[in-house]
Amino acid sequence: RKEVEQDPGPFNVPEGATVAFNCTYSNSASQSFFWYRQDCRKEPKLLMSVYSSGNEDGRFTAQLNRASQYISLLIRDSKLSDSATYLCVVNPVGSARQLTFGSGTQLTVLP
Amino acid sequence: GAVVSQHPSWVICKSGTSVKIECRSLDFQATTMFWYRQFPKQSLMLMATSNEGSKATYEQGVEKDKFLINHASLTLSTLTVTSAHPEDSSFYICSAFNERKNIQYFGAGTRLSVL
Repeated sequence: RKEVEQDPGPFNVPEGATVAFNCTYSNSASQSFFWYRQDCRKEPKLLMSVYSSGNEDGRFTAQLNRASQYISLLIRDSKLSDSATYLCVVNPVGSARQLTFGSGTQLTVLP
Repeated sequence: GAVVSQHPSWVICKSGTSVKIECRSLDFQATTMFWYRQFPKQSLMLMATSNEGSKATYEQGVEKDKFLINHASLTLSTLTVTSAHPEDSSFYICSAFNERKNIQYFGAGTRLSVL
């Protein structure tokens, strides 16, 4: 079983749609959780950290369920510029020193 | 602007040659840097952890004699792919850990094509 699993997609949605991505992780000792965004042939960039209480940043909402070892990302009012691959990332050591990446979920927002 | 600089961004080389990739932290000192490899449509896979002033820690299955890592200063780590072969063609990405901010910053990546 992979350490971090994501639905690879692709998700093709119209502009303005709401889309949700899910992720599960296998290591129950994982302590920090992130969503990264990666554009084609570019490096990953931190989108947001994920906190136990859930957190929101503009149109993006992240949720964490430790009991189910499940993380989600919700994007509201999708923009064309949201098209990218979204990477679920965890680390087990309580800092960002070592990160384990999911294989990513590809999103295409259509005009 | 970029916090971590990675160079070159793209390299094409002949089979059997060696390629050096540099990773520099621009705004902070990084005692720990990481090297990842990403094949098409796959996730980033950690290859090794580069520790300033000491030997790198390699992940299982990564040949340390093939992927030489040097972290001689607090702002520079290099990865040398020795005797590269076509199967080494991939996207190599470095990152540097900012201890003060507890954030890992990524370089822009190096696309290696071995002919």
